Amino acid sequence: QKEVEQDPGPLSVPEGAIVSLNCTYSNSAFQYFMWYRQYSRKGPELLMYTYSSGNKEDGRFTAQVDKSSKYISLFIRDSQPSDSATYLCANPLGAGGTSYGKLTFGQGTILTVHP
Amino acid sequence: KAGVTQTPRYLIKTRGQQVTLSCSPISGHRSVSWYQQTPGQGLQFLFEYFSETQRNKGNFPGRFSGRQFSNSRSEMNVSTLELGDSALYLCASSLAPGLMTDTQYFGPGTRLTVL
Repeated sequence: QKEVEQDPGPLSVPEGAIVSLNCTYSNSAFQYFMWYRQYSRKGPELLMYTYSSGNKEDGRFTAQVDKSSKYISLFIRDSQPSDSATYLCANPLGAGGTSYGKLTFGQGTILTVHP
Repeated sequence: KAGVTQTPRYLIKTRGQQVTLSCSPISGHRSVSWYQQTPGQGLQFLFEYFSETQRNKGNFPGRFSGRQFSNSRSEMNVSTLELGDSALYLCASSLAPGLMTDTQYFGPGTRLTVL
């Protein structure tokens, strides 16, 4: 079982829709989660991070962690064509504990927002 | 401040050859991580360097190696190339090594095609 699993999609939505992107994780020691966004022909960039359970909001983006079900979500409100990208969830804690420089990524979900 | 730069951006090699990829981190960043990204496996961690020392390594064969120089620039080398090595190779740099909350900043990647 992979440490972080993510439905690769693709996901296609109309402009203005609410988008829900999800990941599951297997290691209950994971407490810190990140969402990266990767545009075509670019490297990933950090979108937001969240620590432990609960919600974190940043503009149109909300990250949510449910530790009881080991579920991570990213919600995008009022989605725009410029949000079209691959979204990757990530965790910095390796299977053996703190893991220098290593992020464990989900597969990534390809999102297309059409006008 | 300039971002992470990677050279070359595109590379075509044939099986059995070797290749060297280069990464220049953001000024002041001392930790450099390398990742391989493929459609099938997603983003996978190769290794991390800090102060010219490899501190962490992913599950890749010994054909994949790297090094870091005193100015924090890093190179990775793949020897005896195989078709399956075709991928986007991403480099990421970070400021504060070892901190779970440390943000990794990615370069645009080197697209390697092995024929």
